[in-house]
Amino acid sequence: AQSVTQPDIHITVSEGASLELRCNYSYGATPYLFWYVQSPGQGLQLLLKYFSGDTLVQGIKGFEAEFKRSQSSFNLRKPSVHWSDAAEYFCAVGAGGVDYKLSFGAGTTVTVRA
Amino acid sequence: GAVVSQHPSRVICKSGTSVKIECRSLDFQATTMFWYRQFPKKSLMLMATSNEGSKATYEQGVEKDKFLINHASLTLSTLTVTSAHPEDSSFYICSAPAGGDTQYFGPGTRLTVL
Repeated sequence: AQSVTQPDIHITVSEGASLELRCNYSYGATPYLFWYVQSPGQGLQLLLKYFSGDTLVQGIKGFEAEFKRSQSSFNLRKPSVHWSDAAEYFCAVGAGGVDYKLSFGAGTTVTVRA
Repeated sequence: GAVVSQHPSRVICKSGTSVKIECRSLDFQATTMFWYRQFPKKSLMLMATSNEGSKATYEQGVEKDKFLINHASLTLSTLTVTSAHPEDSSFYICSAPAGGDTQYFGPGTRLTVL
């Protein structure tokens, strides 16, 4: 069975500081990994995804994530956060192919202080 | 990117009534759509997979007679919450895969049952 763990429930970061959100997954084969962001009362927006190839992937809004198979991790980073980055962030894992089911982590709430 | 819409964005109903939520893929066709439920400060829970032209597949523990799903066309799936009760109050989100292996999410529907 596939599962995702996001160890940090809530992170507070100063505007302009760097941000790293942790994600650990459990999956028997090569995973399809995603990071989504959710603003209050909104749906989910795809930040980036990893299927194969280069283990460092670039996404929208200046985010990047690195896939580390040895650590079963897919951590999300941003060098300098903006106040608009305050949101809920979800890591998800899927089987890919014609099976589109995703398993989501519990989410990490990011608060940005001025 | 692919766009998924939901209607209505918010709905308030009385206990015992039924509520229908629509999910549409606006610029692509989707033979499969997914319905999620999200509780406050919680992750997304997959409820069911909506299949165009066949019955929906429900996740374990989800009452299929309570949450009726109809995939009427390649761009429309509906979720009907029948005989709604206050415990059905939640944020319902649909998604559809597009472009191969990536889920695109609707903006969600906030259901409040009085």
